[in-house]
Amino acid sequence: DSGVTQTPKHLITATGQRVTLRCSPRSGDLSVYWYQQSLDQGLQFLIQYYNGEERAKGNILERFSAQQFPDLHSELNLSSLELGDSALYFCASSVAQGDWGETQYFGPGTRLLVL
Amino acid sequence: QQQVKQSPQSLIVQKGGISIINCAYENTAFDYFPWYQQFPGKGPALLIAIRPDVSEKKEGRFTISFNKSAKQFSLHIMDSQPGDSATYFCAARLTGANNLFFGTGTRLTVIP
Repeated sequence: DSGVTQTPKHLITATGQRVTLRCSPRSGDLSVYWYQQSLDQGLQFLIQYYNGEERAKGNILERFSAQQFPDLHSELNLSSLELGDSALYFCASSVAQGDWGETQYFGPGTRLLVL
Repeated sequence: QQQVKQSPQSLIVQKGGISIINCAYENTAFDYFPWYQQFPGKGPALLIAIRPDVSEKKEGRFTISFNKSAKQFSLHIMDSQPGDSATYFCAARLTGANNLFFGTGTRLTVIP
C-alpha cells in the first residue's frame, strides 16, 4: 500500500458528462501528479500540483482540469467526456529523497469507462 | 511522440531464468531513470532507479544496466519467479523537472 488513496475505484458514465476524481496524497507529501493510462498510449503525465499551485503541465486536454486544496487533496475534473477518455487515471504523490530528487508513489487508480 | 521506447511488449520466461527488458531514449536532458512494477488492479510501484553517472545498479535480483553513450538502459531480473509476473515500465525524468515520461510497458509472465 503506497499510502496514496483514490476515489472512486470505478466510474461508468456517458459521453458528454462530467466527472470528478479524487486523490489524497501520502501524509506529508506536497506534490500531486495525475497520469492517464490507456491501452494504446501507456502512462501519460497530465498535470502536477505542489502545495496548491500548478507546477507542471503535460498532455492534458482543455476539457480536463485539476486543483489541489489546502488540505493537499487533489481533484481531477473531466468534462464533455468522450469514448476515448476511457482509461485508468492515477494519482501520485512525491517526496524529495536527497540526490534522487522526488520519488513518486502511485495510488491504486480510478478506472473510468465512458459509454 | 514516445520519449522513452520500451521493448519487448511482452515476455515469457521460465522460472529461474533471466528476464531482460530494454529501454531507449533520445533526450540527453534526462537525469533519472526509474523502473516501476505494476500488478493487475494496482498502481505502479517504484522498483529500482539509476542516475546516468553510473553504469549499473543492483538491488537483490533486480539490476539496471545503463549505457549513456547508446542512450539505452535495461532491467535484468535474475532467477525470475512466478511472483515477478507483472507489467514493468521504464521511465525518465528531465533535469529540473519532476514528472516522468514512461515507456509503454512490458508484460512479464514467469512460467513455473
